[in-house]
Amino acid sequence: GAGVSQSPSNKVTEKGKDVELRCDPISGHTALYWYRQSLGQGLEFLIYFQGNSAPDKSGLPSDRFSAERTGGSVSTLTIQRTQQEDSAVYLCASSYNEGEAFFGQGTRLTVV
Amino acid sequence: KNEVEQSPQNLTAQEGEFITINCSYSVGISALHWLQQHPGGGIVSLFMLSSGKKKHGRLIATINIQEKHSSLHITASHPRDSAVYICAVYPPYQFYFGTGTSLTVIP
Repeated sequence: GAGVSQSPSNKVTEKGKDVELRCDPISGHTALYWYRQSLGQGLEFLIYFQGNSAPDKSGLPSDRFSAERTGGSVSTLTIQRTQQEDSAVYLCASSYNEGEAFFGQGTRLTVV
Repeated sequence: KNEVEQSPQNLTAQEGEFITINCSYSVGISALHWLQQHPGGGIVSLFMLSSGKKKHGRLIATINIQEKHSSLHITASHPRDSAVYICAVYPPYQFYFGTGTSLTVIP
């Protein structure tokens, strides 16, 4: 694709429900990153994939968060039993190896 | 302690002024990114640097690996440059982000 695509662009969910966020990286990009930006806060790194592997999962804020990547392409970030503090914009970026990163437009998650 | 420190946090300039935003980091890196985020908008990568200097239009970015410091310069600033500018370093395997510099350019 022309750029990094994230879906949905907006998601409102009830507290306690599970949500799944999707990231389609630029075709051929080997590295994929997930971040989040809470209201008025800076960017927080969540997880990084090189191919289908995530060398370091320590950035995930709790065990309710998980992420996977299949086929070296699409990635999903799953949040189980959502809490209000999970409300944020979730951003995805991709790059070819350690090259320049391109960012998606983000998914705005609101937990009510 | 933040791995990445940016200054200033807020900056207001008159149109046409030369602007400098600074970034210092404490970790070893393979690359540094300058990102731009407009209000309500997405994030755009302006530059990726691993050494030296890059120029794109009115934007110039420099990095000194030995001093662990980078600067973003905007020449002849314009109101459309108003945005948050974020420095991000890549150790690798993850990014560390600065807290951003909020720039407002007044006509």
